[in-house]
Amino acid sequence: GAGVSQSPSNKVTEKGKDVELRCDPISGHTALYWYRQRLGQGLEFLIYFQGNSAPDKSGLPSDRFSAERTGESVSTLTIQRTQQEDSAVYLCASSLAGSGRAMNTGELFFGEGSRLTVL
Amino acid sequence: GDSVTQMEGPVTLSEEAFLTINCTYTATGYPSLFWYVQYPGEGLQLLLKATKADDKGSNKGFEATYRKETTSFHLEKGSVQVSDSAVYFCALSDRGTSYDKVIFGPGTSLSVIP
Repeated sequence: GAGVSQSPSNKVTEKGKDVELRCDPISGHTALYWYRQRLGQGLEFLIYFQGNSAPDKSGLPSDRFSAERTGESVSTLTIQRTQQEDSAVYLCASSLAGSGRAMNTGELFFGEGSRLTVL
Repeated sequence: GDSVTQMEGPVTLSEEAFLTINCTYTATGYPSLFWYVQYPGEGLQLLLKATKADDKGSNKGFEATYRKETTSFHLEKGSVQVSDSAVYFCALSDRGTSYDKVIFGPGTSLSVIP
């Protein structure tokens, strides 16, 4: 597609339920990132994918959080047994970094985010 | 570790006022510096960047100069418009990594009133 697409745009769930958030990056972008943005706070790095491997998952806050990516395409972020503190906007971004086709530029292309509310 | 600090908002200005949003950073190496902007209802997008000391990034009337001596990258615009109302994020990228690991500041919300 033309841009990074995320779904759902809004998700309300009950504490203890599992949720899946989806990201469809820009076609051809080998790098994919997940960030979390809590209300009034900055972006918190969660995980980075290059292709379908995740060389940096240092930002995942607990083992309830996991992510996978299929090739150089769609990624899903799964949160198991959600807690109220998981409420946030989850942002996905993609870039050409590491593809050999572009120098690292720091230019990430973001989706509009998935707003998660845990009741 | 690397970090970014920026002035707290929200900032409210009248149209045509001068804008400064302060940003300072901490980094072990020589990072690239960025300003991203998030307009209401949209995703973050790159506004401008600078990759080395004394570089000036500019776009849409906004400017920021990479100041290594003060570890700063303040965003300025001479005359803001209502359409500039958005959240602005200062960010850095460690060029020593093999990928674009971008670290963001907390964001500064700007409201421009007619």
